[in-house]
This record gives sequence, structure tokens and C-alpha cells, in this order.
Amino acid sequence: DTGVSQNPRHKITKRGQNVTFRCDPISEHNRLYWYRQTLGQGPEFLTYFQNEAQLEKSRLLSDRFSAERPKGSFSTLEIQRTEQGDSAMYLCATHRQGGLETQYFGPGTRLLVL
Amino acid sequence: KNEVEQSPQNLTAQEGEFITINCSYSVGISALHWLQQHPGGGIVSLFMLSSGKKKHGRLIATINIQEKHSSLHITASHPRDSAVYICAVTSYSGGGADGLTFGKGTHLIIQP
Repeated sequence: DTGVSQNPRHKITKRGQNVTFRCDPISEHNRLYWYRQTLGQGPEFLTYFQNEAQLEKSRLLSDRFSAERPKGSFSTLEIQRTEQGDSAMYLCATHRQGGLETQYFGPGTRLLVL
Repeated sequence: KNEVEQSPQNLTAQEGEFITINCSYSVGISALHWLQQHPGGGIVSLFMLSSGKKKHGRLIATINIQEKHSSLHITASHPRDSAVYICAVTSYSGGGADGLTFGKGTHLIIQP
């Protein structure tokens, strides 16, 4: 257990439905990252927050994706009108800005869009 | 061409063997990470290094900044070492300050 939690761990949905994932970081970590990992591939960067500010979004993040971190603590990632291509593992990672430590990963949320 | 390349993609070895996984990168980095991912998805950081060599138990990680190359070694391998090992780098092209760019991973199986 790294101290970063994600919910739900698994989500099966039908194409066209909206889904929301949650990440709870280690409390003193002000940077929070979302990554997506498809089968057989390494993770890819989606977006990151410093405190409550979303500072960068990847071009992988279409308009159907939105992420928030309203109070600089937990974060949510919402996918609207899901497509089969959205099926993947969604990973959250956190660390302290300026810290010499690596990122701490949550267990991930595995999404399957039918 | 990916910015982070790993080899081999798959490796099967017998218990006790010395294991080497290689990582090459093409971008400027501030740090290189070795990560371990077990079935089920959870990722654990093994090493973060920017120069030289680090050792933790049976694991050793080295990096050569001039050659843009890193290796992860496992001595006296054990079936519980079976996992996917991922190399990742911290570079400003990775998305956000300290965002990671990942290799595709090396799937390691250690047979008893």
C-alpha cells in the first residue's frame, strides 16, 4: 500500500455512459498526476495538478475527459460518452513538489467499455 | 520512435539466474525511474536515480548519462520477482513538471 487510493478499482460500463474515478493522494503531496495504460503498453501522461490548479493536459485528453481537484486534496477524472477505446487502466500518482522522492502510484481503476 | 526504449520486452529465466533489463532514452532527463508492476496493476517505485548506481537488496540500478542508458539487475532471481518492470524518465517533454515518460515495460517470468 503506497498511501494513494483509487476508487473504484474496476468499472464496467456501456458505450455512451459517463464514468467518474476518484484518487485520494498522500496528504502532504501537492502534485497529482493522472496516467492511462492500455494493455501491453506503458502508462501515458494525461494531466497533472499542483494543489487545485490543473497545469497541463496531454493531447490524449479529449473534450470528453475532465479532471478536477477542487480543494487540492482528492481528484476526480470524468469521462463523458465513453467509447470502447477508453478501455484502459487509469492510474493516479502523487508526490511533493521539489521532493527528491519518486511518484507514489495508486492501485489504478480498470475501465472496460462494452 | 519512443523516447524511452526497453529491452527485452519479455524475459523468462530460471530461479537463481542473474537478470538484466536495459533502458535507453533519447530526451534530456532530470531523473530515471525503475518501477515494478504486478498483475492487477499496482505500480511500485524501485529506484529513482540521476547518476551512478543504487542498490536495494537484490536489485541494482545503474545509469550512464552520457550514453543515455540505464540497466536494472536482479541477483539470485526468485519467482516472486516475476512482474513487469518499467523504465520511466522525468523530462519536461513528459507533460508537466516532473511528469513521467514511460517505456513499454519488460515482462519478467522467473520459473522455479
